[in-house]
Amino acid sequence: AQSVTQPDIHITVSEGASLELRCNYSYGATPYLFWYVQSPGQGLQLLLKYFSGDTLVQGIKGFEAEFKRSQSSFNLRKPSVHWSDAAEYFCAVGNTGTASKLTFGTGTRLQVTL
Amino acid sequence: EAGVVQSPRYKIIEKKQPVAFWCNPISGHNTLYWYRQNLGQGPELLIRYENEEAVDDSQLPKDRFSAERLKGVDSTLKIQPAELGDSAVYLCASSPGTLKGETQYFGPGTRLLVL
Repeated sequence: AQSVTQPDIHITVSEGASLELRCNYSYGATPYLFWYVQSPGQGLQLLLKYFSGDTLVQGIKGFEAEFKRSQSSFNLRKPSVHWSDAAEYFCAVGNTGTASKLTFGTGTRLQVTL
Repeated sequence: EAGVVQSPRYKIIEKKQPVAFWCNPISGHNTLYWYRQNLGQGPELLIRYENEEAVDDSQLPKDRFSAERLKGVDSTLKIQPAELGDSAVYLCASSPGTLKGETQYFGPGTRLLVL
């Protein structure tokens, strides 16, 4: 069965600092991988996704993620964090054998200090 | 383009009462999902529809939960009777079709509190 682990429950960074959120997955083949962001009281918004090809994926709001097969990881990065980036971030793995079945991690809450 | 619409946004009920949530997906989206998100957790799929057909309801607690999507557009998720453990955010999402890895677009959710 597929699974996702986000080891960091809560991360605090200063505005302007770099950010890396960790995500490890378990899946028998090359998975589809996603990062979503959830602001308080809002639904989830897709930041980026990886299907195949270039292992460095660019997303919206200046985010990027790198797929590393050898480490079963798909970490999310941003060079310079803005206060508006404070939110909950979810990594998800998609089942390549069944259309659109997503398994989410437990999320990482990002706090940004000014 | 309007996003996924859900109502109500908040609901407080006493245990053993029934409750219903409504979702209107993005126009033209054939696939609709209902997720439950417990506090401090990621969303978990309850049921997935392709048009009117429920193609994956393996995680839906069928003793008390039911869902319908009669005309292949909007959908209703019902709980009867509600239990304390049903307190959660219920998210609806939609995607255009059934291609693998299609982006799912989420609504704002309905936050349910069962007292």
